[in-house]
Amino acid sequence: KQEVTQIPAALSVPEGENLVLNCSFTDSAIYNLQWFRQDPGKGLTSLLLIQSSQREQTSGRLNASLDKSSGRSTLYIAASQPGDSATYLCAVRLLSGGGADGLTFGKGTHLIIQP
Amino acid sequence: GAGVSQSPSNKVTEKGKDVELRCDPISGHTALYWYRQSLGQGLEFLIYFQGNSAPDKSGLPSDRFSAERTGGSVSTLTIQRTQQEDSAVYLCASSLAYSSYEQYFGPGTRLTVT
Repeated sequence: KQEVTQIPAALSVPEGENLVLNCSFTDSAIYNLQWFRQDPGKGLTSLLLIQSSQREQTSGRLNASLDKSSGRSTLYIAASQPGDSATYLCAVRLLSGGGADGLTFGKGTHLIIQP
Repeated sequence: GAGVSQSPSNKVTEKGKDVELRCDPISGHTALYWYRQSLGQGLEFLIYFQGNSAPDKSGLPSDRFSAERTGGSVSTLTIQRTQQEDSAVYLCASSLAYSSYEQYFGPGTRLTVT
């Protein structure tokens, strides 16, 4: 069974710092990996999608990398801002065929950017 | 364009009652997913629909849960004889097609069973 782990569970840093959120998964047979942010009481906002054949994706101040063979992904946030405060979730989509395989999520990293 | 919408946004019900949760996917998206987010449990995948194909129900937590999708668009998730452990946020997502496409999530329905 696929397990997704996110480290750290919580992180608080001053505004302006660069930071890295980590995600690891146990089954490397994945279609893709997706990073989301979730604000309190809200749904999920998709940040970046990395297909299994890709190594990284970038969007603005965000860069996500994928090392499928080692079962790891990182989300790099440059020049953090208070508006980046949210819970960041990592999710993977398995390659298994014919099964009830939606996304498998980690428990998230709760990020606070101090003004 | 319009995103995924869900209704109601909040639902409070008494234990033992049935509830129906609705999801409108993004227009043109053929794949639709239901997830549940419980306090302390994280996000749990429940069921998906691809077009008009019959869904795989093996991810549903009990036989009190059922889902349908009419005309390949709107979906309803029904919980019969609700229990307190059903209290959670129910999230719906859609994507252009199955497997490799990005999933877009709705705002969720917060269900509270008293």
